[in-house]
Amino acid sequence: AQKVTQAQTEISVVEKEDVTLDCVYETRDTTYYLFWYKQPPSGELVFLIRRNSFDEQNEISGRYSWNFQKSTSSFNFTITASQVVDSAVYFCALSERGNNNDMRFGAGTRLTVKP
Amino acid sequence: DTGVSQDPRHKITKRGQNVTFRCDPISEHNRLYWYRQTLGQGPEFLTYFQNEAQLEKSRLLSDRFSAERPKGSFSTLEIQRTEQGDSAMYLCASSLLDSYNEQFFGPGTRLTVL
Repeated sequence: AQKVTQAQTEISVVEKEDVTLDCVYETRDTTYYLFWYKQPPSGELVFLIRRNSFDEQNEISGRYSWNFQKSTSSFNFTITASQVVDSAVYFCALSERGNNNDMRFGAGTRLTVKP
Repeated sequence: DTGVSQDPRHKITKRGQNVTFRCDPISEHNRLYWYRQTLGQGPEFLTYFQNEAQLEKSRLLSDRFSAERPKGSFSTLEIQRTEQGDSAMYLCASSLLDSYNEQFFGPGTRLTVL
């Protein structure tokens, strides 16, 4: 069964600090996809990244970076030099290749960036 | 605006009433998904369509929940005989068939059952 755990319920940082959001997943499938979504106060989920299970290269996009480690079943998300506009709830999600209609989300991490 | 749209954005109803929500996906997207999100939780998958075919509905929460996508374009989600426990945000998402679940979400319909 697929499962996503985001152990950090809430994180609060001061602007310009770096912050890492943890995501640990469970799956029996060898082919799967991992995602991060952002849900700002307006409520609409915004897609950030998709990673497939065969691509363990870390990715950087501006101030965002992702660290995928199959050995620890983790897909962590780091925001460098955080800004107030980064304040949101961030969700990690998993979709198995054999069950691609069913995307399982973690419970989310609420990030507050204070000025 | 060419994103996913949902109507209404907010719905307040009394227990026992039926409610229907509409979702208009991105026009070229074959797949359409419905999720429910309760406070403090991530979205929970309910059902999905590929064009007009409903390919998965075992995750609908009860037989009071039903969804349709009659012409493969917009979709409706109906909840009959609403209960207070149905209060939640109902999210719709759409994707291309081969985009491997890069789903684009709408703003959601917030349901409050009194």
